Amino acid sequence: ETGVTQSPTHLIKTRGQQVTLRCSSQSGHNTVSWYQQALGQGPQFIFQYYREEENGRGNFPPRFSGLQFPNYSSELNVNALELDDSALYLCASNKGYPGSDTQYFGPGTRLTVL
Amino acid sequence: GESVGLHLPTLSVQEGDNSIINCAYSNSASDYFIWYKQESGKGPQFIIDIRSNMDKRQGQRVTVLLNKTVKHLSLQIAATQPGDSAVYFCAEMDTNAGKSTFGDGTTLTVKP
Repeated sequence: ETGVTQSPTHLIKTRGQQVTLRCSSQSGHNTVSWYQQALGQGPQFIFQYYREEENGRGNFPPRFSGLQFPNYSSELNVNALELDDSALYLCASNKGYPGSDTQYFGPGTRLTVL
Repeated sequence: GESVGLHLPTLSVQEGDNSIINCAYSNSASDYFIWYKQESGKGPQFIIDIRSNMDKRQGQRVTVLLNKTVKHLSLQIAATQPGDSAVYFCAEMDTNAGKSTFGDGTTLTVKP
């Protein structure tokens, strides 16, 4: 167990809907990162937050947005869902500044868009 | 664009043999490199990492080698066990830009 939890485990949405995924980091972890992992591929970096501010972003459109809260939890919001958004969404956290310490992943949320 | 590629998407070894998984990266600004293991239905699990100011780092049964000249990373697993069967990902991070890039993974199968 990594101490990083995600909810829900599975989710089914239809095209055009909006979704919010949640992540609870380990206590004391200042950095949280979100990834999208399509079937059979490596995780793709969406963005990361450090001390509640976006610190880096991958090649994802603005309809992917996030928040990090003072209690170390985080949200990933996706608007106007598309079929290609179907994937496993992973969050990961680490202590300190991004890249300064070991990153621990949660089990992921499996999102299916119909 | 940035990319991290893994050579040989599948690797099959005999139990007890040593395994070597290779990875090529393209972003010369990357300064932190990590190997992860992912089992079916789980999130990636940290194995070992290395900073760009090092060229070798050892852990328990695992060694990571970094060759910055040719932008190559490798993971060596000694005395491979059936429990090592999983998909292995290398990842590079440009800590200044706050960006991570993962490869597509190598599936390691250990035959008893």
